Amino acid sequence: GESVGLHLPTLSVQEGDNSIINCAYSNSASDYFIWYKQESGKGPQFIIDIRSNMDKRQGQRVTVLLNKTVKHLSLQIAATQPGDSAVYFCAENIAGFQKLVFGTGTRLLVSP
Amino acid sequence: NAGVTQTPKFQVLKTGQSMTLQCAQDMNHNSMYWYRQDPGMGLRLIYYSASEGTTDKGEVPNGYNVSRLNKREFSLRLESAAPSQTSVYFCASSNRQLILYQPQHFGDGTRLSIL
Repeated sequence: GESVGLHLPTLSVQEGDNSIINCAYSNSASDYFIWYKQESGKGPQFIIDIRSNMDKRQGQRVTVLLNKTVKHLSLQIAATQPGDSAVYFCAENIAGFQKLVFGTGTRLLVSP
Repeated sequence: NAGVTQTPKFQVLKTGQSMTLQCAQDMNHNSMYWYRQDPGMGLRLIYYSASEGTTDKGEVPNGYNVSRLNKREFSLRLESAAPSQTSVYFCASSNRQLILYQPQHFGDGTRLSIL
């Protein structure tokens, strides 16, 4: 497969563990955040989003936490499965702009 | 439901050649985007179209042109390809014009190599 990121930080977990992937964002004016999953050879796939007026949002097996004080976002994946292996990255929307700013990503490796 | 469809999936060009990357979405989205993805870097916006009939430059527009053909289709053209344009190109769409906080949905990309 292609190398989306040759030197991405990597998180290695065992199947069944909980995973936490972190993202530091840059702009205090950012008002909307999105987590994407990207598998090898595929496009980014939307996982979950959160607006800046929230601290936490839950989906199916995933939770996003937002700490605006330290400009930090995290994605928690419960009971991680081998199919969760991918590159995960966050995106921030800076209020008033039409565009998203994307992070470089973290590679999640899940071993059986 | 196909979502965002990009063609071709792979392409090899020689320096100086031109080509057009095609993108179509079937989600009735108003906004469409073109990104490039290079190793070690986040997605970078090349051009976007907030609504049918409008296009705007993104972060890295040099060497590219775009056409919003209709609401469904948004094409990216390389007029004279350069090796620095070797990348994976992604098209995305969203309903941001109607609903402010909307994620973008992506196609599976075009892998472009320029020799």
